Amino acid sequence: KAGVTQTPRYLIKTRGQQVTLSCSPISGHRSVSWYQQTPGQGLQFLFEYFSETQRNKGNFPGRFSGRQFSNSRSEMNVSTLELGDSALYLCASSLDGTGRETQYFGPGTRLLVL
Amino acid sequence: AQSVTQLGSHVSVSEGALVLLRCNYSSSVPPYLFWYVQYPNQGLQLLLKYTTGATLVKGINGFEAEFKKSETSFHLTKPSAHMSDAAEYFCAVSGAGDTNAGKSTFGDGTTLTVKP
Repeated sequence: KAGVTQTPRYLIKTRGQQVTLSCSPISGHRSVSWYQQTPGQGLQFLFEYFSETQRNKGNFPGRFSGRQFSNSRSEMNVSTLELGDSALYLCASSLDGTGRETQYFGPGTRLLVL
Repeated sequence: AQSVTQLGSHVSVSEGALVLLRCNYSSSVPPYLFWYVQYPNQGLQLLLKYTTGATLVKGINGFEAEFKKSETSFHLTKPSAHMSDAAEYFCAVSGAGDTNAGKSTFGDGTTLTVKP
């Protein structure tokens, strides 16, 4: 089975712009979670989608949003980019997101905001 | 609420020596516990996990961890370190219920250095 894929792998944006990141889960996985990883804050949970519905959300401002399509692929969007949004954004998929199921991580998208 | 504390942000061992990475957790529901490894510019790779059953869990690459409920710990060990083990290691906890759907809470990570 192919693993979790994320596109693009690297991205450079300027403050005020918006960005869309894409994640394709492992075939058969219906839960997709997004995480932000920074040196200062570590790995932080953004949100989780299951069957096109956001089931859970972390403590991030409304500029961070996401969606999931019927084929379980997911996108996250960050509007009005700030310098502090520079990070590695990781997507993880699991069968059903119930907690006991293993989350499989993609390679991440590294976003640099100038 | 769930939290994870990894004791020691940096651990250095000699090749062939015992690796011990410490993790303590807090969880209001029965925890599911995970150890992941991250190499530079890569995502996280699962080493092992505990959900239920046997408290000593064996993972890939010779790693194992023991779930100790009384100590709320899930320390990661490997009897003999290899140079290829140099990486960052994350302990994570998740749980059942809607408030935990799809969410793992991670420790701050421990960077393992292996000296020749």
